[in-house]
Amino acid sequence: QVQLQESGPGLVKPSQTLSLTCTVSGGSISSGDYYWSWIRQPPGKGLEWIGYIYYSGSTYYNPSLKSRVTISVDTSKNQFSLKLSSVTAADTAVYYCARVCPGVGWGYDYWGQGTLVTVSS
Amino acid sequence: QSVLTQPPSASGTPGQRVTISCSGSSSNIGSNTVNWYQQLPGTAPKLLIYSNNQRPSGVPDRFSGSKSGTSASLAISGLQSEDEADYYCAAWDDSLNFVVFGGGTKLTVL
Repeated sequence: QVQLQESGPGLVKPSQTLSLTCTVSGGSISSGDYYWSWIRQPPGKGLEWIGYIYYSGSTYYNPSLKSRVTISVDTSKNQFSLKLSSVTAADTAVYYCARVCPGVGWGYDYWGQGTLVTVSS
Repeated sequence: QSVLTQPPSASGTPGQRVTISCSGSSSNIGSNTVNWYQQLPGTAPKLLIYSNNQRPSGVPDRFSGSKSGTSASLAISGLQSEDEADYYCAAWDDSLNFVVFGGGTKLTVL
C-alpha cells in the first residue's frame, strides 16, 4: 500500500521560503512508473496545481508560480520536496503531495494527508 | 476564478440521482481527458473517475462520468449520506500548460 506523508514547518514568515518534504513508502520513486506532484488548497477554497517531478529530476511547474517554485527529488531517501520562495499570506494553504499515475488518465491516485502552512509574522 | 467551471453547490435526497457539470474549453476538456475527485470533509481528495468515465478499483458503480465536447459531467445515482463532499473536475490545459481544476461543487445530501 503506497503512502505519502508531508512534513515541514506549519508557520512561515512573509518573504521567507516555504519548505516541505513528501516521504513515499510502499513504493519506489525510482520505479519510473509515476510522476510526483504538489497541490495546494487555500482554506475554504479549491485546489491549485503547483507542479510535478519525475524520478530523473525533470520538472513541470504552474507558470503562475514558476518563478518562486522548486521541486526536487531524493531517490535515496524516497522523498521529493517543495520550496516556495518569497511567500505572502496568499500562500497560506493546505499543501498536498500526490502520486501521478499515467495509467489512470494522469490522475492523482495516492495523496498525502496534507499539511497546513500558514504565512504570518 | 477557475479555468474549469462547476456549480458551487448541488443537493439531493437519499436514493436520488444527481449530476455535477464541469465546463471548459477546447484547450482543456475539448482535447484532454477529465478526472474527478471527491473530497470528504477534512480529508485529502480521492480519485473518483479518470479518463472521463473510468472508475478506479474500489469506487462504487453508483459513480459515473461522461464527456461531450468541452463539457464533462459526474453522475451519482442512489445518493447516500456518505456522498456528502466536495467534488472537483480536472484536466490538462494545452494552452496554459498545466493541470487545471474546477472550483469544486459542494454536494449536500438532504
